[in-house]
Amino acid sequence: EADIYQTPRYLVIGTGKKITLECSQTMGHDKMYWYQQDPGMELHLIHYSYGVNSTEKGDLSSESTVSRIRTEHFPLTLESARPSHTSQYLCASSETEIYNEQFFGPGTRLTVL
Amino acid sequence: KQEVTQIPAALSVPEGENLVLNCSFTDSAIYNLQWFRQDPGKGLTSLLLIQSSQREQTSGRLNASLDKSSGRSTLYIAASQPGDSATYLCAPPNAGNMLTFGGGTRLMVKP
Repeated sequence: EADIYQTPRYLVIGTGKKITLECSQTMGHDKMYWYQQDPGMELHLIHYSYGVNSTEKGDLSSESTVSRIRTEHFPLTLESARPSHTSQYLCASSETEIYNEQFFGPGTRLTVL
Repeated sequence: KQEVTQIPAALSVPEGENLVLNCSFTDSAIYNLQWFRQDPGKGLTSLLLIQSSQREQTSGRLNASLDKSSGRSTLYIAASQPGDSATYLCAPPNAGNMLTFGGGTRLMVKP
């Protein structure tokens, strides 16, 4: 059973607000990921990290930023939310080896009004 | 660039049927392939991970096969149940070993 958590699960917020989506895992995984998924659409990788102090951009360009100060924690921040940021954000983690199995959190559904 | 196609895109069957979900991918130089299940509005649940050295992997009523040379993987669901209703996603990695997702197969199992 994977232990990866995301908060909040649902967030409705006004345009221009700064928001941080939290993701934490208790498995000691080095690799962590953020995906964005619009309703009924495919998942797209927006950020990933190989470990502490490592962050990389994914395939889909995103205005969000991430940080990795602790192994277990990988928060995503939007400095100024816009309606175009409305989406579901999914966090995942895996071990470092190439045969890595990814485990996903429950997701955060963000709505920007 | 890894591209993933899943067929069929949607499937509606009566309870009890044995099902075949197909996945094809363009870059066969992969170390593994993962199958997931996603319930509406929820995260992904890992179902099976097949390593490139394996030809198939089984978990309960689920069996996944992998044919790297032809760029195909198949998920078999035996004796389907209404609780199996969900979207099933196939995810091979790309050249950077990042998972690549297709559109999935939306499965509805009717009682």
